[in-house]
Amino acid sequence: DSGVTQTPKHLITATGQRVTLRCSPRSGDLSVYWYQQSLDQGLQFLIQYYNGEERAKGNILERFSAQQFPDLHSELNLSSLELGDSALYFCASSVGGGGHTEAFFGQGTRLTVV
Amino acid sequence: GIQVEQSPPDLILQEGANSTLRCNFSDSVNNLQWFHQNPWGQLINLFYIPSGTKQNGRLSATTVATERYSLLYISSSQTTDSGVYFCAVPARGYQKVTFGTGTKLQVIP
Repeated sequence: DSGVTQTPKHLITATGQRVTLRCSPRSGDLSVYWYQQSLDQGLQFLIQYYNGEERAKGNILERFSAQQFPDLHSELNLSSLELGDSALYFCASSVGGGGHTEAFFGQGTRLTVV
Repeated sequence: GIQVEQSPPDLILQEGANSTLRCNFSDSVNNLQWFHQNPWGQLINLFYIPSGTKQNGRLSATTVATERYSLLYISSSQTTDSGVYFCAVPARGYQKVTFGTGTKLQVIP
């Protein structure tokens, strides 16, 4: 158990819908990262928050947004869903925000868009 | 941005065999991690190894940051070692962690 909690574990929804993925970081970690892993693909960095503020942005679509709340949990919102958004979405957390501390990953949310 | 390449892309081993996986990166790094993604999709931390050598049971890793590569050694492989192995690095000055292309390992009985 990495200490990072993601909910839900599985999600099936229809095209055009909106979903929210939730992540609770390890106790004491200030950074939260979101990654997308499509079928047989590598992990693509989406966005990072550090202590409530956006720190870095990757190839995140405009239909996607995220935030980190004062209690440090984070949510990733995916809207106007398309079939191609089906993927495994991972959240990771680390103590620091500069990428120089060890990151720990949650079990992922498997999103299926039908 | 930083480029991270892993080799080989695919590897099939007989149970009990040893293997070496390689991770090359294109820029200076101050951190490197190795992960194992099991067949159920879970990402498991193996090593946090900015430099030097670490060992954990049958697995060990070495990072030579000055030459921009890291090696993961798996000895006496078991079927439970199957899955995809990723290295991940942040480049100096970059916030995000970039994952390598992965090595897909299959250990057969």
